[in-house]
Amino acid sequence: DGGITQSPKYLFRKEGQNVTLSCEQNLNHDAMYWYRQDPGQGLRLIYYSQIVNDFQKGDIAEGYSVSREKKESFPLTVTSAQKNPTAFYLCASRTATEAFFGQGTRLTVV
Amino acid sequence: AQSVTQLGSHVSVSEGALVLLRCNYSSSVPPYLFWYVQYPNQGLQLLLKYTSAATLVKGINGFEAEFKKSETSFHLTKPSAHMSDAAEYFCAVSVFLSGNTGKLIFGQGTTLQVKP
Repeated sequence: DGGITQSPKYLFRKEGQNVTLSCEQNLNHDAMYWYRQDPGQGLRLIYYSQIVNDFQKGDIAEGYSVSREKKESFPLTVTSAQKNPTAFYLCASRTATEAFFGQGTRLTVV
Repeated sequence: AQSVTQLGSHVSVSEGALVLLRCNYSSSVPPYLFWYVQYPNQGLQLLLKYTSAATLVKGINGFEAEFKKSETSFHLTKPSAHMSDAAEYFCAVSVFLSGNTGKLIFGQGTTLQVKP
């Protein structure tokens, strides 16, 4: 089945530690996105990529980094510079008329 | 700039009652509009979409929405609520970038509670 796979489903980070969230798609989509979800704030765009080896900052990129070395993969690194990383992270890929979402990764700082 | 406003962060209805979730958008160009549903700790699932064809759009699970340009609205309705409809609902507008794809701008979300 085609779709988007995010891993892990749950992730715990210690203070000052970098962590990487995985996002893989087999839909052959060029465009991929990372969103952050906090209660009552909807989904906020972190980074997006429209083509391999290219990506742009979204609305809340500070403290995050991404890479797009392969069409299928768009990993997100939450760096120690992100002061409040506890949230639910969603990856998506899209065509012009529809976006497909992964099941999300819940990141918690311990 | 494009934006989406969902009126009411929480809506509560009785089972069998009409569901109405409100969404207003702001866009300088004809928009593509979407409604997504999210169950706890899961990703988003597309309910329906408006892409400049028919203004009354039918989606999955008995939901529908009507695009009203004069009111800049895209409200989501369902004639009769079911317990399984309890979830969070997001309205989104598509902002096109160069090429065919763009980014989705989401509203704040509306939590639907269905009472027995």
